[in-house]
Amino acid sequence: GEDVEQSLFLSVREGDSSVINCTYTDSSSTYLYWYKQEPGAGLQLLTYIFSNMDMKQDQRLTVLLNKKDKHLSLRIADTQTGDSAIYFCAERVGSARQLTFGSGTQLTVLP
Amino acid sequence: NAGVTQTPKFRVLKTGQSMTLLCAQDMNHEYMYWYRQDPGMGLRLIHYSVGEGTTAKGEVPDGYNVSRLKKQNFLLGLESAAPSQTSVYFCASSYSRSGNTEAFFGQGTRLTVV
Repeated sequence: GEDVEQSLFLSVREGDSSVINCTYTDSSSTYLYWYKQEPGAGLQLLTYIFSNMDMKQDQRLTVLLNKKDKHLSLRIADTQTGDSAIYFCAERVGSARQLTFGSGTQLTVLP
Repeated sequence: NAGVTQTPKFRVLKTGQSMTLLCAQDMNHEYMYWYRQDPGMGLRLIHYSVGEGTTAKGEVPDGYNVSRLKKQNFLLGLESAAPSQTSVYFCASSYSRSGNTEAFFGQGTRLTVV
């Protein structure tokens, strides 16, 4: 079955870059997503990457995809305190576009 | 735009009680989903629907039932609540068209079963 893994915690200093890593197992995934969850809130889509791409950049966000190793990463440049949240990677699987989520990485930005 | 709205936002149930969680979306999406979120486990799919009148099981369907009588609504029922169903429940919806179809999430329902 599908399985998506992430490390649970990451702490960085304000202004530094954050890199959140994710591994997935379903090689048939067409889209991979990064969602952000702030305390007490729902999930907000940050960015996504199509499986035939290696990299996608969107302002401060850079997504890297290594299909051979089934590894996905999210880099946040110039991390700010407002970036403190839980970040989920997810792969789209199935004909109904179901998402399989990782456990989430709690990013803490220190002043 | 309301997007995806979940009702209620919080609820405390006693073991054995029943309840229904309501999800409503105003984006005319074909697909709707119910997920549960537990600490350290991410979100897991409970049930989903690809259209009005259709439902299917996800990864963790036991103890739940769903109905999609109207395209804009997706109901999640707990017939006899158990403490193991204490969780945060999220509803989501998306289009069925090809290409990237973003899933939009509600704000969640925090359910505690005592």
